[in-house]
Amino acid sequence: GNSVTQMEGPVTLSEEAFLTINCTYTATGYPSLFWYVQYPGEGLQLLLKATKADDKGSNKGFEATYRKETTSFHLEKGSVQVSDSAVYFCALILGARKPRTGNQFYFGTGTSLTVIP
Amino acid sequence: DAGVTQSPTHLIKTRGQHVTLRCSPISGHKSVSWYQQVLGQGPQFIFQYYEKEERGRGNFPDRFSARQFPNYSSELNVNALLLGDSALYLCASSQQGEIYGYTFGSGTRLTVV
Repeated sequence: GNSVTQMEGPVTLSEEAFLTINCTYTATGYPSLFWYVQYPGEGLQLLLKATKADDKGSNKGFEATYRKETTSFHLEKGSVQVSDSAVYFCALILGARKPRTGNQFYFGTGTSLTVIP
Repeated sequence: DAGVTQSPTHLIKTRGQHVTLRCSPISGHKSVSWYQQVLGQGPQFIFQYYEKEERGRGNFPDRFSARQFPNYSSELNVNALLLGDSALYLCASSQQGEIYGYTFGSGTRLTVV
């Protein structure tokens, strides 16, 4: 089946520390991979994505590289800020399917990040 | 431009009652998907609709149903509410269901007591 496993939290870091949140996946097809962020009381916001092996997604200082050989998509940021405090979700969607035919995201359980000043 | 709009933002229902949640997609988006996010978990797929037809269904009981209207807005209905239905219900829209174009709304927080 299709599933995403991500590092359990919560994670607490000091400002300017290095962040890694691990994410691995299993998929029956060839997936596209995503990181979403959820701030308190809000919905999901797309942080970055990668659509094929060795692609690197990046946004707002966050990066993740699609590693097919290790089925991983780890999220990294070199220097976190207090404003990065949120819950981060790794997700996949099967990329080989045509539009309009029931594409669905498979999400991990989320990793809560708290950055302290 | 307005994003994906969901209403209500919060509501409280009693076990056994029925609830209707509403979603207005981004203008021009014809596909709407519904997800359930239980506290502490990742969102789980419930339904996808495109052009008023159901295009996908997740592993949810028949108490869950949905529909899409000619203006592409959508309703999610849940009958015979259980305590376990308490969750954040998220709606996502895209132009045609293409995988890179989804935008999520802020959700409806349902509490069943």
